[in-house]
Amino acid sequence: KAGVTQTPRYLIKTRGQQVTLSCSPISGHRSVSWYQQTPGQGLQFLFEYFSETQRNKGNFPGRFSGRQFSNSRSEMNVSTLELGDSALYLCASRTGEALPNTQYFGPGTRLTVL
Amino acid sequence: GQQLNQSPQSMFIQEGEDVSMNCTSSSIFNTWLWYKQDPGEGPVLLIALYKAGELTSNGRLTAQFGITRKDSFLNISASIPSDVGIYFCAGSGNAGGTSYGKLTFGQGTILTVHP
Repeated sequence: KAGVTQTPRYLIKTRGQQVTLSCSPISGHRSVSWYQQTPGQGLQFLFEYFSETQRNKGNFPGRFSGRQFSNSRSEMNVSTLELGDSALYLCASRTGEALPNTQYFGPGTRLTVL
Repeated sequence: GQQLNQSPQSMFIQEGEDVSMNCTSSSIFNTWLWYKQDPGEGPVLLIALYKAGELTSNGRLTAQFGITRKDSFLNISASIPSDVGIYFCAGSGNAGGTSYGKLTFGQGTILTVHP
């Protein structure tokens, strides 16, 4: 089975712009979760999508949003970019059942905001 | 945001030595996961634990889910140079059904192995 894929792998944007990141889960997985990884804050949960619905949300401002499509692919959008949004954005997929709830991560998108 | 307390923060060991790291939390988790991350890549799952007291091995790696459900440890035996990387613990399911998709991570343990 192919793993989780994320596009693009690298992105450079300027403050005030918006960005959309894409994640394709493992075939058969219906849940996609997004995480932000920075040196200062570590790995922080953004949100989870299951069956096209947001099921759980972390403590991030409304500038961070996402959606999921009927084929379980997910996109994450960040509007009005700030310098502090520079990070590695990771998505992870799992079957969506309560257990086992093992999450498998993609390689990440490295976002740099100038 | 909430993080698990993972220790040690870093370890410098000789090839062949055993390694032990652990994670503690103030919250109960229903799942503990251990991941390894190489620079510029996403975390790779090493071991998943689903039951309190469970002890699971994956080759030279052994992990345990603490009885109180508030801690877990990971042991690596006979370390080799390719064990170098950052190891993360993660807990899930501390708030019922909808929380299973949310992982709370430790700060990571940076492992360096000298040949």
